[in-house]
Amino acid sequence: EVQLVESGGGLVKPGGSLRLSCAASGFTFSSYSMNWVRQAPGKGLEWVSSISSSSSYIYYADSVKGRFTISRDNAKNSLYLQMNSLRAEDTAVYYCARDRGTMIWSYYFDYWGQGTLVTVSS
Amino acid sequence: EIVLTQSPATLSLSPGERATLSCRASQSVSSYLAWYQQKPGQAPRLLIYDASNRATGIPARFSGSGSGTDFTLTISSLEPEDFAVYYCQQRSNWPPVTFGPGTKVDIK
Repeated sequence: EVQLVESGGGLVKPGGSLRLSCAASGFTFSSYSMNWVRQAPGKGLEWVSSISSSSSYIYYADSVKGRFTISRDNAKNSLYLQMNSLRAEDTAVYYCARDRGTMIWSYYFDYWGQGTLVTVSS
Repeated sequence: EIVLTQSPATLSLSPGERATLSCRASQSVSSYLAWYQQKPGQAPRLLIYDASNRATGIPARFSGSGSGTDFTLTISSLEPEDFAVYYCQQRSNWPPVTFGPGTKVDIK
């Protein structure tokens, strides 16, 4: 069974930093591109960042470019999101999501974690 | 960036009725469109990809159609568990992936 479990969320002050983790199991993690998608309270979905299976290709939404860094450790079946210079508008539930394609990008997300809440407030 | 709009914002229907949800793109996305279902407190679930292909394990009552700029998600006969928010997502002009604002299907 595919499982994605996020952790690392919490309350942080504006300008602060946080590192999210996503532990993957039930599939060959190193064969799939992975993604972070966020959802502000009561709002819709916003794509944040994507990383290819071998970390060769990385993409960010303009809203987080220069502040967030996505990475992965295939040996540990883990995905990460380092978030720096956090702003109030970054407050959201952050989901880890698997790309549907194996070894190729499909840009559709077929499995999602339960999410971790990041709250940026003074 | 491609903008997706969804209509209606809310659809009030009874179990057993047919639901028709619309997604319109600001420019052509060919057939590169997906639909997701999200229930309160849960993560989204992929229903349809490439406009008309059902994802693994999705019941046949869910179907998608359309191409270019206009797309439809149809639920042929609403089950109690289908009342949720539905989002469309395009992957034509990537990055970024973009999502629509959602359509809430609630119980009449």
